[in-house]
Amino acid sequence: GDSVTQTEGPVTVSESESLIINCTYSATSIAYPNLFWYVRYPGEGLQLLLKVITAGQKGSSRGFEATYNKETTSFHLQKASVQESDSAVYYCALGDSNNRIFFGDGTQLVVKP
Amino acid sequence: EAAVTQSPRSKVAVTGGKVTLSCHQTNNHDYMYWYRQDTGHGLRLIHYSYVADSTEKGDIPDGYKASRPSQENFSLILELASLSQTAVYFCASSAGLANTGQLYFGEGSKLTVL
Repeated sequence: GDSVTQTEGPVTVSESESLIINCTYSATSIAYPNLFWYVRYPGEGLQLLLKVITAGQKGSSRGFEATYNKETTSFHLQKASVQESDSAVYYCALGDSNNRIFFGDGTQLVVKP
Repeated sequence: EAAVTQSPRSKVAVTGGKVTLSCHQTNNHDYMYWYRQDTGHGLRLIHYSYVADSTEKGDIPDGYKASRPSQENFSLILELASLSQTAVYFCASSAGLANTGQLYFGEGSKLTVL
């Protein structure tokens, strides 16, 4: 079946450092699934961070970027300079042809001041 | 104002008892989903629905039933609750992948089975 694997957390970085959270996907029901990053900030609900529905395209939001790479089946999340307010749990997700959305296990990001 | 609301937000149930978790959305979305999340893990899909009076199985449907009596309402039913069903349950709605597929989540229902 379809699945997502992402960097195991927690990931700890210092403020102003760069960040990459890896995400790879396996899609059997659809050639080019929709890909998403969701985020849960402390005390808040799960919300969409960014999405890309076309292979080869890049999505961006709040300084984060992710590029849909169909060759390596990856959708890594990157940020050039993190802030303490970026501390959260990040989830990579995949949407299949039946409109089911599959999530990775989540990566907790801790940004040290 | 929250567009996806779940009730109850927290519940303690006894093993073998019946539990019903309810979800109501005001997004006018066709798709609704039930996920469970165990501590330290991601969300796993239990059931979903794309139209009233119809439900589909997700990845882990065993031990759960779902009901979609209207576009706005989607319930998750545990007929015989078990210890292993202790988790946080999330409901979500979506306009479908043809419309980006973004999920809108409720705040979660914490279920403890004793």
